[in-house]
Amino acid sequence: GENVEQHPSTLSVQEGDSAVIKCTYSDSASNYFPWYKQELGKGPQLIIDIRSNVGEKKDQRIAVTLNKTAKHFSLHITETQPEDSAVYFCAASKGGFKTIFGAGTRLFVKA
Amino acid sequence: NAGVTQTPKFQVLKTGQSMTLQCAQDMNHEYMSWYRQDPGMGLRLIHYSVGAGITDQGEVPNGYNVSRSTTEDFPLRLLSAAPSQTSVYFCASSYSGTSGVGEQYFGPGTRLTVT
Repeated sequence: GENVEQHPSTLSVQEGDSAVIKCTYSDSASNYFPWYKQELGKGPQLIIDIRSNVGEKKDQRIAVTLNKTAKHFSLHITETQPEDSAVYFCAASKGGFKTIFGAGTRLFVKA
Repeated sequence: NAGVTQTPKFQVLKTGQSMTLQCAQDMNHEYMSWYRQDPGMGLRLIHYSVGAGITDQGEVPNGYNVSRSTTEDFPLRLLSAAPSQTSVYFCASSYSGTSGVGEQYFGPGTRLTVT
């Protein structure tokens, strides 16, 4: 079955710096790759997603890149702010069904 | 819209007891799913449903049952609780279109402790 590995497990950055979280997936048939942000005591919330027919997608300070050949995708957050501090999850699926999540990255943004 | 609601928020069970975690959504989403979240392991899919009357197993289905009699509701049943089922449980729903399932909307979670 699909397996998603996520690194690093913890990331600490200074406010204003960039943060990068990387994921790899095992099933070459996967075609939908969402990223979720989870704040303490809440359910995850989608922040950006990408489908396999696109190599990069950007939304203000957040961008995601996808390398289908390497089965690798990354989340980039620029100009980080304290409110970006949270746990971030990558995920992979075929058409959104049976979504498999990575183990998560805890991001700390120091003011 | 209330979105995705889950009850109860907290529950303590003794080993061997049974219970049902409730999940409801008011967005007319076809796709619904249950996840458990354990420290260091992310979210793991338990069961999912692509519409009323249709359910299927995820990564970790053992010990859990689901049914989907209506579009709105997707209850998760623990038949005989075990300490290994201590976790935070999230229900999610999503619109299902021609390009597949998109953004999943998560409920606030149920924190379950089995002693």
